[in-house]
Amino acid sequence: DAKTTQPNSMESNEEEPVHLPCNHSTISGTDYIHWYRQLPSQGPEYVIHGLTSNVNNRMASLAIAEDRKSSTLILHRATLRDAAVYYCILRRPNTDKLIFGTGTRLQVFP
Amino acid sequence: DTGVSQDPRHKITKRGQNVTFRCDPISEHNRLYWYRQTLGQGPEFLTYFQNEAQLEKSRLLSDRFSAERPKGSFSTLEIQRTEQGDSAMYLCASSPRDRTNTEAFFGQGTRLTVV
Repeated sequence: DAKTTQPNSMESNEEEPVHLPCNHSTISGTDYIHWYRQLPSQGPEYVIHGLTSNVNNRMASLAIAEDRKSSTLILHRATLRDAAVYYCILRRPNTDKLIFGTGTRLQVFP
Repeated sequence: DTGVSQDPRHKITKRGQNVTFRCDPISEHNRLYWYRQTLGQGPEFLTYFQNEAQLEKSRLLSDRFSAERPKGSFSTLEIQRTEQGDSAMYLCASSPRDRTNTEAFFGQGTRLTVV
């Protein structure tokens, strides 16, 4: 299973943008990049996913490097409710399991 | 539909006892997954069902663990002869039938404590 590398923790102030990086240098051509987040005492929650092009949805944006060896999850205006562990996951089309790493713990300060 | 439902939310059991957890996926989701999460770690994949067929099992799933999904609806995860190392959060997720990548919806989990 392809591996991702993320910083253990990051901090942000409320209403500021947050850029959460992920390295995935061993990504294959068909791997999708998925992001999930896990709030305290909750199950993981889907955030966004993409293959090659940048993606936007109501929760976040995903910027994918041209060589696909890294990506960045962008929260445009952090809120206190965005404090969570964010997981960057590579998912092959022919498998359905998600392989989680240890993720990035995001702290948001008022 | 209120999402993926897991029961119980918490379970405390004595070492050596058997426990069973239930997961009700989102209706019409034909794919169902079980994960285990220990403190400070990301969830680890245990097993996956498509309808009633168990298609993949992790090496983490020892002989003491068994999962079923009769009739392709709810699923149960049983742990026999529990050990202290089984203490963890057990998460269930479901996803709809789709040929491309799609999101998985997770339940809130069952927290198991083996004493």
